Amino acid sequence: QKEVEQDPGPLSVPEGAIVSLNCTYSNSAFQYFMWYRQYSRKGPELLMYTYSSGNKEDGRFTAQVDKSSKYISLFIRDSQPSDSATYLCAGSMDSNYQLIWGAGTKLIIKP
Amino acid sequence: GAVVSQHPSWVICKSGTSVKIECRSLDFQATTMFWYRQFPKQSLMLMATSNEGSKATYEQGVEKDKFLINHASLTLSTLTVTSAHPEDSSFYICSARVPGSTDTQYFGPGTRLTVL
Repeated sequence: QKEVEQDPGPLSVPEGAIVSLNCTYSNSAFQYFMWYRQYSRKGPELLMYTYSSGNKEDGRFTAQVDKSSKYISLFIRDSQPSDSATYLCAGSMDSNYQLIWGAGTKLIIKP
Repeated sequence: GAVVSQHPSWVICKSGTSVKIECRSLDFQATTMFWYRQFPKQSLMLMATSNEGSKATYEQGVEKDKFLINHASLTLSTLTVTSAHPEDSSFYICSARVPGSTDTQYFGPGTRLTVL
């Protein structure tokens, strides 16, 4: 079993829909959680960075961490075609940034 | 499947020395590997694309003589930071592209380099 599990998709939704991207993890020592967005042939771009449980909101993006169920989510409101990309989740035990990555979910927003 | 490892996970070295970081695809053959650099809470910056059996392609602004990349086999790419200085201290992450896929990359856990 991988430490971070993520459905590779693709996930295809119509423009304007609310998108829910999810990961599960197995290491209860994880404290830091990150979501990255990666466009084709580009490096991953950090979207959200959260510590421990709870929600964090930034514009149309909301990251949610539920440590009791070891479940992390990224919600995208009012999705746009420009949101089409691969979204990667990652977890880390400490601030040394030893990251454990999910496989990435390919998201397609249809106009 | 699709596991990428890096070694070492953390290295501390003196200024002026060289450090080699290994990136291995454990259960698949990767014709293409990527090297990234990351500062805390920032996005990954692509440094170079490494293709097995050929010279790496460096991104603009990355010194090829300072960051030597070797991709000698389908499962191993190495990044050597030559004559390291404190400003080279960073987190270095590699990824490997799954053969036949243009988008899917699997990332290594990263190597933290601290140059004293």
